[in-house]
Amino acid sequence: AQSVTQLGSHVSVSEGALVLLRCNYSSSVPPYLFWYVQYPNQGLQLLLKYTTGATLVKGINGFEAEFKKSETSFHLTKPSAHMSDAAEYFCAVSRNFGNEKLTFGTGTRLTIIP
Amino acid sequence: SAVISQKPSRDICQRGTSLTIQCQVDSQVTMMFWYRQQPGQSLTLIATANQGSEATYESGFVIDKFPISRPNLTFSTLTVSNMSPEDSSIYLCSVVGQGAKDEAFFGQGTRLTVV
Repeated sequence: AQSVTQLGSHVSVSEGALVLLRCNYSSSVPPYLFWYVQYPNQGLQLLLKYTTGATLVKGINGFEAEFKKSETSFHLTKPSAHMSDAAEYFCAVSRNFGNEKLTFGTGTRLTIIP
Repeated sequence: SAVISQKPSRDICQRGTSLTIQCQVDSQVTMMFWYRQQPGQSLTLIATANQGSEATYESGFVIDKFPISRPNLTFSTLTVSNMSPEDSSIYLCSVVGQGAKDEAFFGQGTRLTVV
């Protein structure tokens, strides 16, 4: 079975500050990991994904995440927060890539303080 | 990429009635999934919609409550039957494969309120 834990249901950062959203996973097989963003009243949009290869993954809107197998983590970061980053962020895991259902974390609501 | 049209976008329904949600994709896809997002919570997979056969339901979800159809590779429906206020959620369609390639795309969701 797979599971995802997102530490912090709400995170607030000042505009221009570092964004760090935490995600830890549990998987019996090598995982495929994803971060999705959900803006108010919208569907989910893929920010980035880790499949194989380089453990530091760059995504859209300046976000990146690092896969750390030893820590079973896949934390999402952005060096400088922008007001437009305010949204709900979901970490997800799957066993396979391209045809598998996703298991989501509980989400982290990111608030940007002007 | 894949563009998903999900209808209706929102609805308010009386308890005891049923609502059918449609998911239309602009290209053929391999997998179609239905998720539920209860207020303030994460997404939970309801079922995998299988083309031409019965859907595969996750633990806690049953066909009588959430019948699903997938007549072809671009279309699926989810029905929420005999609704109660506890069914008030956002329901999302997701697709993967072929036209969507390896990425999971999500519809805008259907915001359902049961009164």
